[in-house]
Parts: sequence; structure tokens; C-alpha cells
Amino acid sequence: GAGVSQSPSNKVTEKGKDVELRCDPISGHTALYWYRQSLGQGLEFLIYFQGNSAPDKSGLPSDRFSAERTGGSVSTLTIQRTQQEDSAVYLCASSFQPGQQETQYFGPGTRLLVL
Amino acid sequence: AQKVTQAQTEISVVEKEDVTLDCVYETRDTTYYLFWYKQPPSGELVFLIRRNSFDEQNEISGRYSWNFQKSTSSFNFTITASQVVDSAVYFCALSEKKDRGSTLGRLYFGRGTQLTVWP
Repeated sequence: GAGVSQSPSNKVTEKGKDVELRCDPISGHTALYWYRQSLGQGLEFLIYFQGNSAPDKSGLPSDRFSAERTGGSVSTLTIQRTQQEDSAVYLCASSFQPGQQETQYFGPGTRLLVL
Repeated sequence: AQKVTQAQTEISVVEKEDVTLDCVYETRDTTYYLFWYKQPPSGELVFLIRRNSFDEQNEISGRYSWNFQKSTSSFNFTITASQVVDSAVYFCALSEKKDRGSTLGRLYFGRGTQLTVWP
């Protein structure tokens, strides 16, 4: 079956612009996670969605970052007024259910470059 | 403090050599899960294995094997008879039952080990 898909694959933007990154989880998966991978910070958690519940935003680095998940499926991560330090690979993952025992399956990521 | 430490940043081996990737974790929970993921040059994280804290049996899958030792908080990964296709970054990750936040199942990753297998 189809895995986690993300779009765009690559995004180049100018400092100060807004960007939207999209994640389409595996069908039937209720939990969705966003992570960021950068040279300096490694892989770090950003935000978590479980079904239609309020997301856990504890990992978002600033209020310029926001995310939503519509209909319990597709998620969009928005970065406003992008900065050069936002350049990273943004990875989305989904799992069948929430919980520590569940395996998260990752998408191919979106490579964001802020000039 | 890092919850997951992968002390080896880079490892280079020649094809057919065995190689072990180290992973040391830190948690106060008695129930937790450990994972290994592979990230080939294409960038996608590929799941390799999941192990819960109550199962200390070593596991073997083809050329891959994992050694889980709670006494030393380690979950090491060995590739036997390495191949060029094994070249990738390998990540060890931890998932705890009790998290400071409310996120169930968020993964704490190590910094990864870049494995290069030369022909």
C-alpha cells in the first residue's frame, strides 16, 4: 500500500516568505508527527496530532510555526516569515495508533532552503 | 541531556566486514521502546526494528542482528558481511511511556551513525 507522502520534495524560498509543507499519512493511521532534521540539531520532534484532538505543539521552535490536520488525515505545516535557520528537512511520520509501542513510518521529507 | 547517544559519528568498512553500531539510551521509565531506522542517501527513514524494554532476547534478521542489554542501557546493531547497499545513516530512537509533555510515542533520536561500505 501507499506510504507516507510529502510535498513538495524541495522548496527554496526567500527569507521572510511564508511556506506550506504538506503531509499525507498512511490511510487508516490516526497519529501523525512532524519532525525536523538539521545539521546542527539532528532529528527533533515538532508537533503531534491524534485524530481530531488538539495537537501537542510542545516541540515547535517558535510561534512562526503552526500546523493543522484536516479531517484527521492530511496535515499542513506552515512556517511564517521564514528565517535562514529554518533550512532543514521536514519529516512527517504516521502510526496506526498513538503510543510508545507503535511504529512510526516516515515520508521522504521536504527539503527547505531559505535564502 | 541526550536521551539517546550514538557515539560513532562515522564508520567506514570494506565489503564483507562485520560492523557494530552502538546505541546507549537514558530513561527513568520501566516501560519503553527502542527503534532502529536506516536513512539511505534518498533521505527517507526506513524502519528496521522495534524492541520493548521487557524483551531482552537478541534478534536476528538475515544479516542484521540486535543486542539489547538493559544492564548497560545499550541497544547495539550489528551488520554481518556488510554490503555497499548498507551504506546509510543509521538512527537509534527511544520512545517512553511517561513523557514530560502529552505526546504519546514521540521519538527521541540519537545523532545517527554514517556507515560507508566500500567495495
